Amino acid sequence: GESVGLHLPTLSVQEGDNSIINCAYSNSASDYFIWYKQESGKGPQFIIDIRSNMDKRQGQRVTVLLNKTVKHLSLQIAATQPGDSAVYFCAEMGGTSYGKLTFGQGTILTVHP
Amino acid sequence: ETGVTQSPTHLIKTRGQQVTLRCSSQSGHNTVSWYQQALGQGPQFIFQYYREEENGRGNFPPRFSGLQFPNYSSELNVNALELDDSALYLCASSPRTGVGTGELFFGEGSRLTVL
Repeated sequence: GESVGLHLPTLSVQEGDNSIINCAYSNSASDYFIWYKQESGKGPQFIIDIRSNMDKRQGQRVTVLLNKTVKHLSLQIAATQPGDSAVYFCAEMGGTSYGKLTFGQGTILTVHP
Repeated sequence: ETGVTQSPTHLIKTRGQQVTLRCSSQSGHNTVSWYQQALGQGPQFIFQYYREEENGRGNFPPRFSGLQFPNYSSELNVNALELDDSALYLCASSPRTGVGTGELFFGEGSRLTVL
């Protein structure tokens, strides 16, 4: 069936570096994409979202890029900090499926001091 | 903190037993969704409740059932537990708006172990 997946299961960076986490999606009907962060023992926490009529959206230290041509989504974290260490999930929602997200497998980000 | 609380936080059951998990949604949120997260995987959508009615269901068998109450809190019930039901069960609430967003507010989950 349709799915959302990640290219890299793990990513290790040094504190202060920029991090890029990638995600591929296959459902061409998806029109809304979200990045979540999940720390150990906690539920997913919303980071940033983007609609399909946009190709870039910026938040505080984070940027999401959407390339609909190749069905690719990325999350960029600037000046990565040890507190950014977590599992990052991309998720998609399509059409009328309000609140029903399809999550990818996740990328483990480890930030070394 | 998201304001979404789940109970119990951890529980152990044996195969064939039944379990009920509970969720209190964030104040003002009338939509509750349940997700199952197996170890090392992303959350998978089980079902959603809106105004006490099931409003969409993922690929889960009928032994997974739920309820939503007038105060918008919710329960997830799983009958005839199987070993593969061992997972973190996440509840997420959201406000229902005309435009809508995907920003779900997740609780910290109930960790179910089936022996």
